[in-house]
Amino acid sequence: TQLLEQSPQFLSIQEGENLTVYCNSSSVFSSLQWYRQEPGEGPVLLVTVVTGGEVKKLKRLTFQFGDARKDSSLHITAAQPGDTGLYLCAETNAGGTSYGKLTFGQGTILTVHP
Amino acid sequence: KAGVTQTPRYLIKTRGQQVTLSCSPISGHRSVSWYQQTPGQGLQFLFEYFSETQRNKGNFPGRFSGRQFSNSRSEMNVSTLELGDSALYLCASSYRGGNTGELFFGEGSRLTVL
Repeated sequence: TQLLEQSPQFLSIQEGENLTVYCNSSSVFSSLQWYRQEPGEGPVLLVTVVTGGEVKKLKRLTFQFGDARKDSSLHITAAQPGDTGLYLCAETNAGGTSYGKLTFGQGTILTVHP
Repeated sequence: KAGVTQTPRYLIKTRGQQVTLSCSPISGHRSVSWYQQTPGQGLQFLFEYFSETQRNKGNFPGRFSGRQFSNSRSEMNVSTLELGDSALYLCASSYRGGNTGELFFGEGSRLTVL
C-alpha cells in the first residue's frame, strides 16, 4: 500500500508570508492530486500533476512534481487568511481496479493570521 | 449545477445501533465513492460504485456496506456501531470514476457514536 507523508502537519503563519507543503512517498506516484478542505466542507481539487518535473501554477499557488515522481510540493506566495484550511495530497492509483480510490496523505493544517 | 448532496449532515447514535447515510451525486455522474475521515487516520477509502456495481473496496470490516441505485444515488450502512466509527463520512462523485479524473466531494455526514 502506497504511504504518503505530508509535512508539516501544522503551519501557522502571518498574512503575506510564503510557505511550502511537502508530500513524499516511498514509491513512484502514478499521478498526484492536491486538495483543499475548509471546515465543514468536503475536499476540493486544486490540481492534478502527472508528468515528472511538472510545474503548475494556480494564482498564488505553485505545484511541483518531482522528477522521479516520488515527491510533490505546494508553494503559496503571500498567503492570505482565505488560504486557511487543510491541504491534502492524494495519489490516484493507476490500474483498472482502482476506480474512485484515492490514497490521501495525513494533511497539512494551514492557518493564516490577518 | 447542483453539487454532491449528503444526508443527514449530523447524527448521533449509540454503540450497537446501525446507521444509513445517503449520497446524491452530481447529475450525470455514475461513480460514487465513500471515504471515512478521522483525525487519527485521515481520509480512508471505503468503497466505490459504478452503475449499481461495487468496483472497489477498502480495508474496512464487513459492518460497512453500501449500494447504489439505478439513479446513481448511493447509500452506505454501518451496522453494530462502535465508538471508533465516529467520523466524518464523505461521498464523492465523478463521471467515470477514472483514476485521474476529479472527484467532487459532498460536505459529509458527521457521525458521533456514544
